[in-house]
Amino acid sequence: GQQVMQIPQYQHVQEGEDFTTYCNSSTTLSNIQWYKQRPGGHPVFLIQLVKSGEVKKQKRLTFQFGEAKKNSSLHITATQTTDVGTYFCAARPVNDYKLSFGAGTTVTVRA
Amino acid sequence: NAGVTQTPKFQVLKTGQSMTLQCAQDMNHEYMSWYRQDPGMGLRLIHYSVGAGITDQGEVPNGYNVSRSTTEDFPLRLLSAAPSQTSVYFCASSYSTRTNSPLHFGNGTRLTVT
Repeated sequence: GQQVMQIPQYQHVQEGEDFTTYCNSSTTLSNIQWYKQRPGGHPVFLIQLVKSGEVKKQKRLTFQFGEAKKNSSLHITATQTTDVGTYFCAARPVNDYKLSFGAGTTVTVRA
Repeated sequence: NAGVTQTPKFQVLKTGQSMTLQCAQDMNHEYMSWYRQDPGMGLRLIHYSVGAGITDQGEVPNGYNVSRSTTEDFPLRLLSAAPSQTSVYFCASSYSTRTNSPLHFGNGTRLTVT
């Protein structure tokens, strides 16, 4: 079955620094979605990538879909305390209904 | 418009007991699913449904049953609870599988099996 690997599992960041989390799939994807879960909360949808090589930005967050549609990344610039939480990628293979989540990257911020 | 509603929020069961986690959505979503979340494991798909009367297994279906008699409701049944089923359970729905629409999550049910 499909495997979705997400690294790193934990990211401790100094406020103001940048970081990147990566998501890799064993199969070609129809699309990839990113979610954020605040501590004690539920996952909330951030963005979806569909096209090969697609890049989308949301303020300080930049999302990229790989050319082969097997990997994706989330880059956050100038990290703030509001960025604390766990970021999940969720991948849907071609011709499949199922959305499989990575293990998530849990971000903590040092002020 | 309440979105996705899960009940109960917390539940403690003894080994061997059975129970049903309720999930309802009022958005006329076609797709509904159940995930469990364990530390370091992310969200693992238990069961999903692409429409009323249609269900299928996800990654970790053993010990759980589902049904989808209406578009709105997608209950998850634990047949005989085991300590390994201690977890946080999330129900999630999306408008359509065909349009790659995003998942809307409920607030979760924290289940402890002793």
